[in-house]
Amino acid sequence: AQSVTQPDIHITVSEGASLELRCNYSYGATPYLFWYVQSPGQGLQLLLKYFSGDTLVQGIKGFEAEFKRSQSSFNLRKPSVHWSDAAEYFCAVAAGSSGDKLTFGTGTRLAVRP
Amino acid sequence: NAGVTQTPKFRILKIGQSMTLQCTQDMNHNYMYWYRQDPGMGLKLIYYSVGAGITDKGEVPNGYNVSRSTTEDFPLRLELAAPSQTSVYFCASSYAGGGEQFFGPGTRLTVL
Repeated sequence: AQSVTQPDIHITVSEGASLELRCNYSYGATPYLFWYVQSPGQGLQLLLKYFSGDTLVQGIKGFEAEFKRSQSSFNLRKPSVHWSDAAEYFCAVAAGSSGDKLTFGTGTRLAVRP
Repeated sequence: NAGVTQTPKFRILKIGQSMTLQCTQDMNHNYMYWYRQDPGMGLKLIYYSVGAGITDKGEVPNGYNVSRSTTEDFPLRLELAAPSQTSVYFCASSYAGGGEQFFGPGTRLTVL
């Protein structure tokens, strides 16, 4: 069965600093990988996804992620964090014959220091 | 275009009561999903549907039932509410498997 590990429960960064959120997955085949963001009291919004091809994917709000098959990782990055990026971030892997079932990590809560 | 809507936003149930969480999407998506979110646990898939009349169990289906009579609606039924079902419930939809899932705003349920 597939699984996702987000080793950092909480991260605090200063506004303007760079950010990297870690995600490791376990899945036997080529995975579909996603990063979602959840603002307080809201549903989840897709930041970016990887299906195949270029291993560096660009998303919304200036985020990017790099798929590294050798490390089973899909880390999320942003070069300069804004106060509005404070939220919870979830990595997910899609499995099943048609990739229709998402398995989520436990999330990383990001705080941004002024 | 409202996307995915869920009702109610909040609900308090007594142990043993039943209720239905409503979910509607207006994007003509084939796939719909129900998740529960518990603190520090991420989201767990309860049930999903790949089209009207077709449903299947996810990771944590016990204590829940679903039906999908139309493309738009995917209600989640709790028959005998238990404190372990206190959670935030999210409905989502996608056009196809493996595609972007669009989430509703959630229903916060407390069972006392």
